[in-house]
Amino acid sequence: SAVISQKPSRDICQRGTSLTIQCQVDSQVTMMFWYRQQPGQSLTLIATANQGSEATYESGFVIDKFPISRPNLTFSTLTVSNMSPEDSSIYLCSVLGGAYGYTFGSGTRLTVV
Amino acid sequence: RKEVEQDPGPFNVPEGATVAFNCTYSNSASQSFFWYRQDCRKEPKLLMSVYSSGNEDGRFTAQLNRASQYISLLIRDSKLSDSATYLCVVNNPGGGADGLTFGKGTHLIIQP
Repeated sequence: SAVISQKPSRDICQRGTSLTIQCQVDSQVTMMFWYRQQPGQSLTLIATANQGSEATYESGFVIDKFPISRPNLTFSTLTVSNMSPEDSSIYLCSVLGGAYGYTFGSGTRLTVV
Repeated sequence: RKEVEQDPGPFNVPEGATVAFNCTYSNSASQSFFWYRQDCRKEPKLLMSVYSSGNEDGRFTAQLNRASQYISLLIRDSKLSDSATYLCVVNNPGGGADGLTFGKGTHLIIQP
């Protein structure tokens, strides 16, 4: 299955600032996915990042708040902009690993103070 | 977005016991089904896919009942290392991750 390197693993940020999360995959993948997992909750898809086109955002998520880059088939970034304490969560990237189902990065635990 | 409902946790089970989790999904057109395991402060990892005929992987058995829209996971001879949160995941028509719906998870604690 694909191996994903995600960083940072955790951060504590001041409200009003922005944080960019990076995911590097060890193989080329068409789509990469960004999820949020709030405390005690299930995973919620934020957006699908396609190489060479705009990301596709799910209901409730907008590009101004969560801009995404996908410069090539092995890399993507998610930025959490103008953060507030409500953005405190775990953010995960994911790719489809064929028969192995969806593989997730190790997650970024964000705390906004 | 359709929902995936799981048994509420936590389940406290003695080591060696058999434990079963249930999951129901609301979209009758759902196509693919998975159980993921998530350890504390870790990312979810695929435990097993769930096939219509049911499938077994060692101590783990998954069953799918399309008529009742019901998925189950059975763990036999439970080990301390089985302690984790188990996520029921359903892939809906259209495929791709935009069709994935995650349950909130069932927290399992295996006690020595």
